[in-house]
Amino acid sequence: KQEVTQIPAALSVPEGENLVLNCSFTDSAIYNLQWFRQDPGKGLTSLLLIQSSQREQTSGRLNASLDKSSGRSTLYIAASQPGDSATYLCAVTKDSSYKLIFGSGTRLLVRP
Amino acid sequence: DTGVSQNPRHKITKRGQNVTFRCDPISEHNRLYWYRQTLGQGPEFLTYFQNEAQLEKSRLLSDRFSAERPKGSFSTLEIQRTEQGDSAMYLCASSLSRGIANEKLFFGSGTQLSVL
Repeated sequence: KQEVTQIPAALSVPEGENLVLNCSFTDSAIYNLQWFRQDPGKGLTSLLLIQSSQREQTSGRLNASLDKSSGRSTLYIAASQPGDSATYLCAVTKDSSYKLIFGSGTRLLVRP
Repeated sequence: DTGVSQNPRHKITKRGQNVTFRCDPISEHNRLYWYRQTLGQGPEFLTYFQNEAQLEKSRLLSDRFSAERPKGSFSTLEIQRTEQGDSAMYLCASSLSRGIANEKLFFGSGTQLSVL
């Protein structure tokens, strides 16, 4: 059974700091890994999608890497801003099913 | 592109009542998903449709839950005889078929259900 774990569960950093969020999954047979952002009481916004054949994806200040063999992904946020405060969720797609299996998320607070 | 729309945003009901939620996907998207999220947890998959066909259902979807997507457009999720354990955020997402490895989901803002 695929399990997705995110560490840390919560993180508080001062504005301007570079930070790394971690995601691990138990079964390396995935099609892709996605990172999402969720603001309180809201839906999810897709940030980055890494296909299983790829190693990383970048969008602005965000960079996500994927090491499928070790079952890990990291989301790097450069020069963090208070507006980055949110919960960040990773999810994997495995087998031939289109369902996403999510981690519990990392709650990020960027202090001004 | 107006995004995925879900109604209502909030629903408060008494235990034992039936509730129905609606999801309007992005117009050209052929896949539609329902997820459930409880506080502090990631979303859990409930079911998904390709066009009007319901292709997969989670074992989380008990007999009290039913979902439809008539004509492959909007979708409804009905919960009969609600229980307090049904209290959660119900999220809808849609996607355009691009192959499983490149399937990007667009989520709505969700319907927050509270069962008293």
